[in-house]
Amino acid sequence: ETGVTQTPRHLVMGMTNKKSLKCEQHLGHNAMYWYKQSAKKPLELMFVYNFKEQTENNSVPSRFSPECPNSSHLFLHLHTLQPEDSALYLCASSQDWTGDQPQHFGDGTRLSIL
Amino acid sequence: RKEVEQDPGPFNVPEGATVAFNCTYSNSASQSFFWYRQDCRKEPKLLMSVYSSGNEDGRFTAQLNRASQYISLLIRDSKLSDSATYLCVVTPSGGYNKLIFGAGTRLAVHP
Repeated sequence: ETGVTQTPRHLVMGMTNKKSLKCEQHLGHNAMYWYKQSAKKPLELMFVYNFKEQTENNSVPSRFSPECPNSSHLFLHLHTLQPEDSALYLCASSQDWTGDQPQHFGDGTRLSIL
Repeated sequence: RKEVEQDPGPFNVPEGATVAFNCTYSNSASQSFFWYRQDCRKEPKLLMSVYSSGNEDGRFTAQLNRASQYISLLIRDSKLSDSATYLCVVTPSGGYNKLIFGAGTRLAVHP
């Protein structure tokens, strides 16, 4: 039990579909993150939210649209994805956006684009 | 040049062996340093922070050399359960919790 829960665990979708990834943290943290992990590549930071405000967008294409309704929930809305978007999408949280508190990761959503 | 570079391995070692991983980082202003561990098809988990003075946690020893911009992880008396990918992670200066990951070094401990 990591304290960070992601759903779904696996997702297969066509390029024209619209789907959403969900992340929920039960740790009382104020910062939440989306990362992408492609095969044999380092984790790449996509978005950061601190106290529900987006503080970082790491040049992510607009077909990925994050939403943070409160400090405990983070969504990643997907539309018109490309095959190269197939990857493991990991959510993480930490106490806040400053300092070097450890980040706690969810199990990830493994996304496959047909 | 990659921001954080690691030898991808795999390192195949027998139980009980001592194994060391190195990692180099390109930004001399990097502020914080960590080793994370990621098991196959699982999420990364913090293994230990790395301090300038070096630090030890049981069988694991981490060291930082700021002058040469490298970080090391030493695992003594390897266990089968140590088999995983070890991720070197740095944060840039500025005080923000922005983790920059290496691609990881894979360790396989065999009986």
